[in-house]
Amino acid sequence: GAVVSQHPSWVICKSGTSVKIECRSLDFQATTMFWYRQFPKQSLMLMATSNEGSKATYEQGVEKDKFLINHASLTLSTLTVTSAHPEDSSFYICSARNFLGNSPLHFGNGTRLTVT
Amino acid sequence: GQQVMQIPQYQHVQEGEDFTTYCNSSTTLSNIQWYKQRPGGHPVFLIQLVKSGEVKKQKRLTFQFGEAKKNSSLHITATQTTDVGTYFCAAGPRGGAQKLVFGQGTRLTINP
Repeated sequence: GAVVSQHPSWVICKSGTSVKIECRSLDFQATTMFWYRQFPKQSLMLMATSNEGSKATYEQGVEKDKFLINHASLTLSTLTVTSAHPEDSSFYICSARNFLGNSPLHFGNGTRLTVT
Repeated sequence: GQQVMQIPQYQHVQEGEDFTTYCNSSTTLSNIQWYKQRPGGHPVFLIQLVKSGEVKKQKRLTFQFGEAKKNSSLHITATQTTDVGTYFCAAGPRGGAQKLVFGQGTRLTINP
């Protein structure tokens, strides 16, 4: 089945530093990937839609200059949390579809970010 | 924007009891998907419903899509400890937009 790999699984960083999270589709090409954020015991909140070869589409309230998304190839999207602060600590999950339309999402294992 | 309401937020049952979670939208949906997230894990796709009134079964799990395509339910018969986790519905709105809107999730815990 379709596999999405996300790296790193967890990261601890200091306030003010930047953290890059990678999301790879291993056995299919994904023109679109989705980045979600999940706080403990809460639902998944869509942050942005990553589009290969073009700018990401951000959801309302998500700062595009803080959460930089790059989708340089059909198998890789990256999310960079810039100038991280403790309130950015969260579980970040990427997902992708291996078919267009409303086919199911395949999720990466997620990245647990802790900012100290 | 598109909103999907899911209830209950939490459900604790004795092993062997049944469990149901409900998902409701104020607008007509093109499809609805269900995901399960184990504690500490990532969401895993369970099923997709597309047709009005559709009912699908996976062993002890029964999924329903309402006639008006505005609500859905997941019912688990005779729960087992392996059913523990959070169940999310995710709605695909009409118009072909690719992104899914997730419900708040129902966290199921089971007393063995």
